[in-house]
Amino acid sequence: SQTIHQWPATLVQPVGSPLSLECTVEGTSNPNLYWYRQAAGRGLQLLFYSVGIGQISSEVPQNLSASRPQDRQFILSSKKLLLSDSGFYLCAWSGTGGPQPQHFGDGTRLSIL
Amino acid sequence: GENVEQHPSTLSVQEGDSAVIKCTYSDSASNYFPWYKQELGKGPQLIIDIRSNVGEKKDQRIAVTLNKTAKHFSLHITETQPEDSAVYFCAAGGFQKLVFGTGTRLLVSP
Repeated sequence: SQTIHQWPATLVQPVGSPLSLECTVEGTSNPNLYWYRQAAGRGLQLLFYSVGIGQISSEVPQNLSASRPQDRQFILSSKKLLLSDSGFYLCAWSGTGGPQPQHFGDGTRLSIL
Repeated sequence: GENVEQHPSTLSVQEGDSAVIKCTYSDSASNYFPWYKQELGKGPQLIIDIRSNVGEKKDQRIAVTLNKTAKHFSLHITETQPEDSAVYFCAAGGFQKLVFGTGTRLLVSP
């Protein structure tokens, strides 16, 4: 069966520091991969998605970037964090070939001080 | 682009009652409508989904209905239990992307 892993579960970072969040998927090949941010009490905002290695689509202009160095690895990065980057970051994967459900990891709670 | 509205934002019911959450979408090209349950500190979990060629789908106590003409779909939970308490999200989309509603906090009181 397929599983998705995100780490770390929680992270506290100072303003201006770099960021790297990692997500890996097991049990499937060539998945679509997604990064979402969820503000407290809000819905899910799509940040980036990828349909293949090195292929990244950005949904909103922001201080973050994403990379997909391997088929089942998706990384969310920032060079200098802002206070507004605080939130709950979720990675998800889906199959390809038509509308498919997205399956989420358990997220990373990021607090910027 | 797609816009999804979800109501109500909070819903309190007594154990054993039914709960209904409604969503509307704007893009007539959307053809896939999943529902997710999110418990505190966890990622959303898919609980049921429906495609545009189907009007209704049921899985035990959970059912989803879709009205493509009116562009709305609903989640129905019957015989609610305290463990149904969570935040529920609807979503609409198609190939590759989904747009999510803002969520409904369901509280089931014993």
